Amino acid sequence: GEDVEQSLFLSVREGDSSVINCTYTDSSSTYLYWYKQEPGAGLQLLTYIFSNMDMKQDQRLTVLLNKKDKHLSLRIADTQTGDSAIYFCAESMASGGSYIPTFGRGTSLIVHP
Amino acid sequence: NAGVTQTPKFRVLKTGQSMTLLCAQDMNHEYMYWYRQDPGMGLRLIHYSVGEGTTAKGEVPDGYNVSRLKKQNFLLGLESAAPSQTSVYFCASSYGTYNEQYFGPGTRLTVT
Repeated sequence: GEDVEQSLFLSVREGDSSVINCTYTDSSSTYLYWYKQEPGAGLQLLTYIFSNMDMKQDQRLTVLLNKKDKHLSLRIADTQTGDSAIYFCAESMASGGSYIPTFGRGTSLIVHP
Repeated sequence: NAGVTQTPKFRVLKTGQSMTLLCAQDMNHEYMYWYRQDPGMGLRLIHYSVGEGTTAKGEVPDGYNVSRLKKQNFLLGLESAAPSQTSVYFCASSYGTYNEQYFGPGTRLTVT
C-alpha cells in the first residue's frame, strides 16, 4: 500500500541492533503493527502499539512511535540469523465503518554471521 | 486448533480458466481477508468480510469475486484467470477490526 512506506532492504551483522523504519499517513490510526514473514510462510504478528503510546518494549523488540512525524520504528537488539525475514509495518485505516489493516511493502532483513 | 488453512497450496491455471480458493478458520473470527503478495509490492487487499454474509472490496478487487456463506469459510474466485493474477494469495482472519490478524500459509497460483 502506498499509504505505508518502508525501505525494502536492511543488512546487519549478527549481534548488532537492527532498526526498521516505517512512515504512515492516516493520523487517525489507532493501532500500528509489526508483522514478520519467514520464507514460504504467512505473516505473524510481532508486536503492536497504541497510537497514544510513544514506546513499547518486548524482550529484544522496541517499538518507537512519533505521531507528529507519523513515523514508526522497530528495533531488534542482538540480531540473530533467525531474525532474517521480511518485516511489515501496518496501520489500521478507516474503511466503510471498519478499520482495515494496510500494509507496507515490507523490509527484507538479512543477518550476516 | 488448526488456525487458518488454505486450499490448495499450489495451482497452475491456463489463461481463461476459473478456480476457487478456499480459506477456513476455526477461531470463530468475524473478520476475514484475502490478500495477494507480489515481489516488491507487499500485501494488497483484494476483498474482505466483516461477518457471515457480508463482503467488501479492498484495494485490488478487479477480476476476483468472494463469498462468505458460512462464518468459518471465505472463498476467493477467479472467473477467467489472467497472467497478471499470478501471485501468492494469503487469507487472514481476526476477531475484531483492531485485533491481530492470523494468516494462512498461502496459495501459490501461476497463470500461463
